[in-house]
Amino acid sequence: EVQLVESGGGLVKPGGSLRLSCAASGFSFSRYSMNWVRQAPGKGLEWVSSISGGSGNIYYKDSLKGRFTISRDNARNSLNLQMNSLTAEDTAVYYCVRDLSEVGGNFDYWGQGTLVTVSS
Amino acid sequence: QSALTQPPSASGSPGQSVTISCTGTSSDVGLYNYVSWYQQHPGKAPKLMIFEVSHRPSGVPDRFSGSRSGNTASLTVSGLQAEDEANYYCSSYAGSNNFVVFGGGTKVTVL
Repeated sequence: EVQLVESGGGLVKPGGSLRLSCAASGFSFSRYSMNWVRQAPGKGLEWVSSISGGSGNIYYKDSLKGRFTISRDNARNSLNLQMNSLTAEDTAVYYCVRDLSEVGGNFDYWGQGTLVTVSS
Repeated sequence: QSALTQPPSASGSPGQSVTISCTGTSSDVGLYNYVSWYQQHPGKAPKLMIFEVSHRPSGVPDRFSGSRSGNTASLTVSGLQAEDEANYYCSSYAGSNNFVVFGGGTKVTVL
């Protein structure tokens, strides 16, 4: 059974940093592109970042470039998102998501999400 | 403002059909065969219902179908059931710059 379990969310002050992690199991992790998708409270879905199976291709939402860094450790079946210089607009549930395709956004498995709250 | 445009709401009675539109541009929905639809119940993670315009993942009822005409994709739910009441989001691949864009979501109500 495919499982994606996020961790690392919490309350952080504006300007602070947070590192999210996602533990994957039940599939051959290194064969799949992985993504982070977020959802602000009461709002829609927003794609954040993508990393290919071998980490050779990395993409970010334009407005987040320079502040967020995605990475993965295939030996540990884990996906990470380092978030810096956080603002209130980054408050959201962050989902770890598997992509069925190399590119395309066919997001077939989602974690339960981890809530990030940026507030003083 | 979302990159893809969806109606905020749609409704139908049990057994009826409802169709949700998702309008993009010739740089996303109209260009790539990577349009997906997701169902999200309150407090839950989204679930993939349709991928690559019209393909259903294993386990998704055939009451759900997807199509596309030009820059507009559509999701049709036939034979509406109470459990279909949820928010539905479309997404499209948009090239290596924007990568994936989502619609703002449509709340489907079963009357």
